[in-house]
Amino acid sequence: QQQVKQSPQSLIVQKGGISIINCAYENTAFDYFPWYQQFPGKGPALLIAIRPDVSEKKEGRFTISFNKSAKQFSLHIMDSQPGDSATYFCAASSKGAQKLVFGQGTRLTINP
Amino acid sequence: DVKVTQSSRYLVKRTGEKVFLECVQDMDHENMFWYRQDPGLGLRLIYFSYDVKMKEKGDIPEGYSVSREKKERFSLILESASTNQTSMYLCASSFTAGIRLPREEQYFGPGTRLTVT
Repeated sequence: QQQVKQSPQSLIVQKGGISIINCAYENTAFDYFPWYQQFPGKGPALLIAIRPDVSEKKEGRFTISFNKSAKQFSLHIMDSQPGDSATYFCAASSKGAQKLVFGQGTRLTINP
Repeated sequence: DVKVTQSSRYLVKRTGEKVFLECVQDMDHENMFWYRQDPGLGLRLIYFSYDVKMKEKGDIPEGYSVSREKKERFSLILESASTNQTSMYLCASSFTAGIRLPREEQYFGPGTRLTVT
């Protein structure tokens, strides 16, 4: 049973455009929502994370938007660049948990 | 920089063989994790360990075991490899300090692509 559902599975965006990846969850006990970025041949690396006490978190061109009532969160990449081409994973975890539950992943391609 | 290394990048084994995947981290992290990554399924947790000689089952532990005899090393063991264990295996580590939880910022190794024929 997939506790975090991620979409789309793949995404192609033109350079300079906005990339948007969405995740939805059911477990209302989740209180930590990170995004990981994985380049080919590398392991995932933490990109940005949010807790549900805020609705948005921005770091440079990357923004997480969080909608607690809808149980959804999304990653927005502004001014997308070819170097952003990677696979992105959302994840979630509940308070006191020692583990993350990951989404299915989105392969993002930025065309030059 | 945190470094998590995995013993092999590619591994080919036969059905029924016993397989050892090794992971070493150099940052004195308390917590270590083993995941498998499959297309369309994301990362799924197999086992994790929050201390030497301690282990906890993840979401898909069947067919796997683990060993953590030293803080820096976490091994994943496939007792009798099967074709459905063909996958990318990722090791990760994290530290716990104060109110930090093991779930926070996990550092991943480059992965081992295992093929079982």
